[in-house]
Amino acid sequence: NAGVTQTPKFRILKIGQSMTLQCTQDMNHNYMYWYRQDPGMGLKLIYYSVGAGITDKGEVPNGYNVSRSTTEDFPLRLELAAPSQTSVYFCASSINPGTSGSGTGELFFGEGSRLTVL
Amino acid sequence: KQEVTQIPAALSVPEGENLVLNCSFTDSAIYNLQWFRQDPGKGLTSLLLIQSSQREQTSGRLNASLDKSSGRSTLYIAASQPGDSATYLCASLTSGTYKYIFGTGTRLKVLA
Repeated sequence: NAGVTQTPKFRILKIGQSMTLQCTQDMNHNYMYWYRQDPGMGLKLIYYSVGAGITDKGEVPNGYNVSRSTTEDFPLRLELAAPSQTSVYFCASSINPGTSGSGTGELFFGEGSRLTVL
Repeated sequence: KQEVTQIPAALSVPEGENLVLNCSFTDSAIYNLQWFRQDPGKGLTSLLLIQSSQREQTSGRLNASLDKSSGRSTLYIAASQPGDSATYLCASLTSGTYKYIFGTGTRLKVLA
């Protein structure tokens, strides 16, 4: 059972370049999230999706875009990379958060993608 | 706006000690609260999830409690071991949203 898979694990970008971080999950979760984690800080929500075709902004969406064409995939695109986007990016998924059923709301994380912008 | 705070930011204890990690949240209207473990350079692993209707959850040497009225959750680790060394984060899911808000974590070091 693969869970949440992120690629690439590491990437170095030059200022102004663009790239896409890939995230896929095989648990049929309807909710998916992108977070960034800076040293010594908690996780900040970038974007989230409640199902295929539906996305919404989190706390720090500027400089990023997402799409959700399938239940499994939730790619994060960085346009015109800036040094401030140097961070570790985590994708996560969940099923039915906000309901009381057993197991609902538990967040599953990928291993992370470490991005450096020089 | 929900804010989640974890104190202390770092903690060192000798092996075998029982310890408590704290998590505070400002909005008591939450669906659930989760505790995670993060090893250096790794992703987050869910340890315990407490639904809003529950008071505590247990898994092995870990016990998490939830007191919504006081805006607090605690993670109790019994008989700590060096392998417990990691960063522990809590996250709350506020009612009416689908956004999990994370604390900044407590970095735990258990000395052999």
